[in-house]
Amino acid sequence: KAGVTQTPRYLIKTRGQQVTLSCSPISGHRSVSWYQQTPGQGLQFLFEYFSETQRNKGNFPGRFSGRQFSNSRSEMNVSTLELGDSALYLCASSLALDSNSPLHFGNGTRLTVT
Amino acid sequence: DAKTTQPTSMDCAEGRAANLPCNHSTISGNEYVYWYRQIHSQGPQYIIHGLKNNETNEMASLIITEDRKSSTLILPHATLRDTAVYYCIVRVGLTGGGNKLTFGTGTQLKVEL
Repeated sequence: KAGVTQTPRYLIKTRGQQVTLSCSPISGHRSVSWYQQTPGQGLQFLFEYFSETQRNKGNFPGRFSGRQFSNSRSEMNVSTLELGDSALYLCASSLALDSNSPLHFGNGTRLTVT
Repeated sequence: DAKTTQPTSMDCAEGRAANLPCNHSTISGNEYVYWYRQIHSQGPQYIIHGLKNNETNEMASLIITEDRKSSTLILPHATLRDTAVYYCIVRVGLTGGGNKLTFGTGTQLKVEL
């Protein structure tokens, strides 16, 4: 079974630009979550989608947004990029929303903002 | 979210068992204990999780104390490839369901020859 796939693997953008990251969950998984990882803040929850609806959101500004499609694939968008947005962005999928369903992570997209 | 406390780092000889402790004294009755590990530049890898009973899978064993205030992840025969940061997480249920994981700083396990 294929794991969580994130594209692209690496991305370099300029301050002020916007970026879209893509995530394909494990087949059959309906929940997709996004996390940001930086050396200073560690892993932080961005948001979670289930059945095309955002279910939960972390403490990030409105520049960070996402969506989920009917096939459970998800995208996240960051507008007006800032230098501090440089991070590893991780997507995770799970079968369901309950606490007994493990999250499985992809290997992330490394975003560098210059 | 229930807070977890883990040692910053641990060393283990290859072939020996690695026992990684975690304290979660404020855990609630319906909160699961999850373990993940992260090798540099990769996403966190799910290892195992449990609620009350001890659990075992092909990767590891999870021992949860009877009062559920602490747990131990056991890698029975550590190899060099087990060198990673190990995260112990208490997973809190969110209103309407949800999968938010709160990661701490984890334990850097170094497996050496």
